[in-house]
Amino acid sequence: GESVGLHLPTLSVQEGDNSIINCAYSNSASDYFIWYKQESGKGPQFIIDIRSNMDKRQGQRVTVLLNKTVKHLSLQIAATQPGDSAVYFCAENKEGAGNMLTFGGGTRLMVKP
Amino acid sequence: NAGVMQNPRHLVRRRGQEARLRCSPMKGHSHVYWYRQLPEEGLKFMVYLQKENIIDESGMPKERFSAEFPKEGPSILRIQQVVRGDSAAYFCASSPPGGRPPLNEQFFGPGTRLTVL
Repeated sequence: GESVGLHLPTLSVQEGDNSIINCAYSNSASDYFIWYKQESGKGPQFIIDIRSNMDKRQGQRVTVLLNKTVKHLSLQIAATQPGDSAVYFCAENKEGAGNMLTFGGGTRLMVKP
Repeated sequence: NAGVMQNPRHLVRRRGQEARLRCSPMKGHSHVYWYRQLPEEGLKFMVYLQKENIIDESGMPKERFSAEFPKEGPSILRIQQVVRGDSAAYFCASSPPGGRPPLNEQFFGPGTRLTVL
């Protein structure tokens, strides 16, 4: 079936460096994508979203890039901080396919001081 | 301004017992979603409800699982005759009315961790 998946299960970066977390999706009809951050023992926290009519969207220290040609989504975190350590999930939705968000398997980001 | 509340935070049940998980959405939110998360995995959609209505239950197992969101009170996810495979974290999310779900930002609660012995 359709799925959203991630390339790297664990990413380790040095504090202050930039982080890039990748996500591949297989449903070319998906038109809405979200990145969530989940810290241990907590619920997912919304980071940033993007619709399929956009290629890039920026927030505070975070940027999401969408490449519809290769069905690839990435989350860039600038000047990574220890507080960024968490598991990051991408999720997608397709209009008309119901109200569910389909989540990927997650990437664990570890920030070394 | 309280966020999404879930209780209990931890629930232990023996096989065959019933589990009741409660979710109080954020103030003013009329959409509630339930997700299940196994260790080291992403969340899996279960059900989407509005007040007194189940809108989408395509992710709910056909047996033993039910959900409701009454006019008054929290949303309830009920699991009857629990089995070990039901052990997971169950998250509730809520979003405000209007717009195309789930494009309205979903705010997640802290989850209920169910352990079936």
